Amino acid sequence: GQQVMQIPQYQHVQEGEDFTTYCNSSTTLSNIQWYKQRPGGHPVFLIQLVKSGEVKKQKRLTFQFGEAKKNSSLHITATQTTDVGTYFCAGYGSSNTGKLIFGQGTTLQVKP
Amino acid sequence: NAGVTQTPKFQVLKTGQSMTLQCAQDMNHEYMSWYRQDPGMGLRLIHYSVGAGITDQGEVPNGYNVSRSTTEDFPLRLLSAAPSQTSVYFCASSYSRFPRDSPLHFGNGTRLTVT
Repeated sequence: GQQVMQIPQYQHVQEGEDFTTYCNSSTTLSNIQWYKQRPGGHPVFLIQLVKSGEVKKQKRLTFQFGEAKKNSSLHITATQTTDVGTYFCAGYGSSNTGKLIFGQGTTLQVKP
Repeated sequence: NAGVTQTPKFQVLKTGQSMTLQCAQDMNHEYMSWYRQDPGMGLRLIHYSVGAGITDQGEVPNGYNVSRSTTEDFPLRLLSAAPSQTSVYFCASSYSRFPRDSPLHFGNGTRLTVT
C-alpha cells in the first residue's frame, strides 16, 4: 500500500537557523498537504500542493512538490521559538480511495 | 461553530473492556476519519467515511468498528480493549467527499490508556 516517509524524525536548532524536513512517497501522489502540531495540540492544516514542481511560500515557510510528485519538502528560514512543534506531510494517492496517509512527522525544537 | 468535538478527552480502560469514542462535527462535512497517534509512528488512519452510510478501512482497522448513520457523527468503537490500543485518537473531517480537495479539520483528541 501507499507509504509516506518523512525525515528527520527530530531536529534541534538554534533560534535563527534554518530548518528543512523531507517527505517521500512510495507512489505518485495527486496532492500533498502539510500540517503543524504544537506540543499537546492537534494537527492544523498549513498548505496543499497539487502541481508537479509547485513552490508555495508562507512568510518564512517554503513548500515544494517534486517534479515526479513523489516527494516534498518544507523549509523554514530563520527559525523562531514559535516554530516549535511537529510537522507532518500527508499524501493522497492518485486513486479515489479516500485515504490520506501521513508521514511519521518531524519534531522541531528551537533553542532561544 | 464548535468544529470537530471529541469526547471524552481522557479515558482509562482495563484489558477486555469495550467503549465508544465520540466524534461530532457541525460543519456539514462529508468526509470523516479516525487516526491514532503513537510516538515515532505519526498519524495512522484507522477508518474513514466519505458520507452517511459509507465507511471503509484505513491502515490499522483491526480491533475497531465504526458507523456513520448521520452526517454529523462518526463514533469509534473498541470491541475488546488491548494495551496495544493505548494511544491518542484524533477524529478529523473534511468539507469535500475526498480529502484531496479540501484540508482536514482535527478534533482535540482523546488520550486512551489500556491497562
